[in-house]
Amino acid sequence: GNSVTQMEGPVTLSEEAFLTINCTYTATGYPSLFWYVQYPGEGLQLLLKATKADDKGSNKGFEATYRKETTSFHLEKGSVQVSDSAVYFCALSASYGKLTFGQGTILTVHP
Amino acid sequence: NAGVMQNPRHLVRRRGQEARLRCSPMKGHSHVYWYRQLPEEGLKFMVYLQKENIIDESGMPKERFSAEFPKEGPSILRIQQVVRGDSAAYFCASSPRDTNEKLFFGSGTQLSVL
Repeated sequence: GNSVTQMEGPVTLSEEAFLTINCTYTATGYPSLFWYVQYPGEGLQLLLKATKADDKGSNKGFEATYRKETTSFHLEKGSVQVSDSAVYFCALSASYGKLTFGQGTILTVHP
Repeated sequence: NAGVMQNPRHLVRRRGQEARLRCSPMKGHSHVYWYRQLPEEGLKFMVYLQKENIIDESGMPKERFSAEFPKEGPSILRIQQVVRGDSAAYFCASSPRDTNEKLFFGSGTQLSVL
C-alpha cells in the first residue's frame, strides 16, 4: 500500500534560518505529491504540489521537487519567518482526494 | 465565500453515547472527504462521498461508524457507542469535482470520549 514518511520533529529554528523537512514515499504508479500546512486552530491548507517526476512545486518561498529516483519530496525554504511556525504534512494521492499523509512535522521559528 | 465549516469544534461524549459530526462543504462543492487524526499520528482517510452516494469507504471502521451526504444539508459522520479509542480530531475536506488537485479542509472537530 501507499505510505509517507516524514522526518520526525519538532523542528526549532531561528528566524532567517534554512529549513529542510524530509519526506519519502512508497506508492504504486505515479502519485501526485503535496505539502499541506496547518496553522494553530485552523484546517489544513495546500502549500504546494507536484504531479509528475522532476516537477517543482513552490509557494510563499517554499519549494519541493518530485524525485522519482529517490522517492522523495523534501520541503525547503531559504529563510524562515516566525509566521511559518505551523505543522507541515507531506501527502500523496494516487486518485481523487484520497490522500495518504505523513505524521506531520511541527516547526517553531523563534525571533 | 465561506470555507468548509465543521461543527462542533469540540465534542465531549461519554463511553456508549453517540457522536454526530457535521461538515458543510464550500459552496459549489459536491465531493466530501472525512479524515481522522489520532494523537501523534498523521491524518488517515476514512470515507469519500458525493451527494447521496458513498464512493469509497475503505478507511471506515466496519462497526459503529457511518457517513452520509444527503441531497440537502451537511455531511454527517456518525459514531455510535463511542469508546475512548475514538478520541481524535476529525477533519472534513471538500472539492468541486473528482480530483486530487486541491482539497479544502475544515478546522476539524475534536472528539473527546470520557
